[in-house]
Amino acid sequence: DTGVSQDPRHKITKRGQNVTFRCDPISEHNRLYWYRQTLGQGPEFLTYFQNEAQLEKSRLLSDRFSAERPKGSFSTLEIQRTEQGDSAMYLCASSSLDRGGEQFFGPGTRLTVL
Amino acid sequence: GENVEQHPSTLSVQEGDSAVIKCTYSDSASNYFPWYKQELGKGPQLIIDIRSNVGEKKDQRIAVTLNKTAKHFSLHITETQPEDSAVYFCAASIYQGGKLIFGQGTELSVKP
Repeated sequence: DTGVSQDPRHKITKRGQNVTFRCDPISEHNRLYWYRQTLGQGPEFLTYFQNEAQLEKSRLLSDRFSAERPKGSFSTLEIQRTEQGDSAMYLCASSSLDRGGEQFFGPGTRLTVL
Repeated sequence: GENVEQHPSTLSVQEGDSAVIKCTYSDSASNYFPWYKQELGKGPQLIIDIRSNVGEKKDQRIAVTLNKTAKHFSLHITETQPEDSAVYFCAASIYQGGKLIFGQGTELSVKP
């Protein structure tokens, strides 16, 4: 399977704990995006990278959220001191500007904060 | 701020009928408009997209139309089949490869 992969698929945590999610983009895709989706809503943009550089961060991304893409390949999204309001599906997508820029999404990581 | 409105929120059609989903966007700089299909427990899947220099694009049973003056675009599915049942999202971006602003989604149900 050469699509976008995300790990873990599901995460249950207690309020106040830290969590980290991983995204592996399609090979050679230079852009990687993070979105958050709550039940019954469309995905909301969080941040995106071109290679290692984080180009834009949404106002939704509070100081408790941090994303990295250290080698321009996989990315991690960390949430510190989780709150119940952080419960959502976290989606990762990747694209190649050289091949049209269409964004292809992974299956998501569903986070439940108790 | 940037906003995309999508209607209807739910749509039920009989197999073989057509389905139309409509979206409007607020940012006149938007130039790229993809549509995604999301099935339960899966990530969104790109089904068709259109750029602002094109008024209409068709791919088999799926077509998208764009009216830049009205800031309005629509998805048309003809000869619907039960496997078309899913949630459909429209989105807008200033350019292909930029951040996407999504609509709220339309839950399409195709009854056999």
